[in-house]
Amino acid sequence: DIQMTQSPSSLSASVGDRVTLTCRASQSISTYLNWYQQKPGKAPRLLIYAASNLQRGVPSRFSGSGSGTDFTLTISSLQPEDFATYYCQQNYVAPPDTFGQGTKLEIK
Amino acid sequence: EVQLVQSGGAVIQPGGSLRLSCEASGFLFSSYWMHWVRQAPGKGLEWVSRTNADGRITDYADAVKGRFSISRDNAKNTLYLQMGRLRAEDTAIYYCTREFGGRMYYFDYWGQGSLVTVSS
Repeated sequence: DIQMTQSPSSLSASVGDRVTLTCRASQSISTYLNWYQQKPGKAPRLLIYAASNLQRGVPSRFSGSGSGTDFTLTISSLQPEDFATYYCQQNYVAPPDTFGQGTKLEIK
Repeated sequence: EVQLVQSGGAVIQPGGSLRLSCEASGFLFSSYWMHWVRQAPGKGLEWVSRTNADGRITDYADAVKGRFSISRDNAKNTLYLQMGRLRAEDTAIYYCTREFGGRMYYFDYWGQGSLVTVSS
């Protein structure tokens, strides 16, 4: 199975900050990489698909990039509603789909 | 509006069985692959199982293979997860989710989650 490793595991930031979250795959996955946001008690929400495509309805402050093994999710200017946990997911080799362990974004 | 409404979560003893349901509306259910993803308390997301549009193809995570069974009733727009020989480590919130996008797919809609607690 392909292993997905996210860094950092947690991050403290302030409203208005620009933040970058990282996801690394254990082998090349082209751009078969999706990003989800999850708030406590809620189901995950798709943000970015195929590494860099913004899901309909997601604010443009979110962007994704990368290919091969290294990927990033960037939030250009943090808003209060962005404090959540973020997961990457690969399906280049599936099943199984595999997720990163998550990055928890907290308010500083 | 696309909706996935789940039911069936419960507290169940180790070794027991349980069936989760996920009723879909707002889209042509019979045209989509569907998946189950779970999340243990305080942990990350773990893919569990998937089925193709007509239910003839099914896949499972190694952790549940031989114990869980995914199925669907396209006439009822409902996805199921039959869980058997449950273990404490199966305790989790289980989400149904729709696959979208072809080969480079993603999970665009999710159910609200069903809590399964395996405990004596």
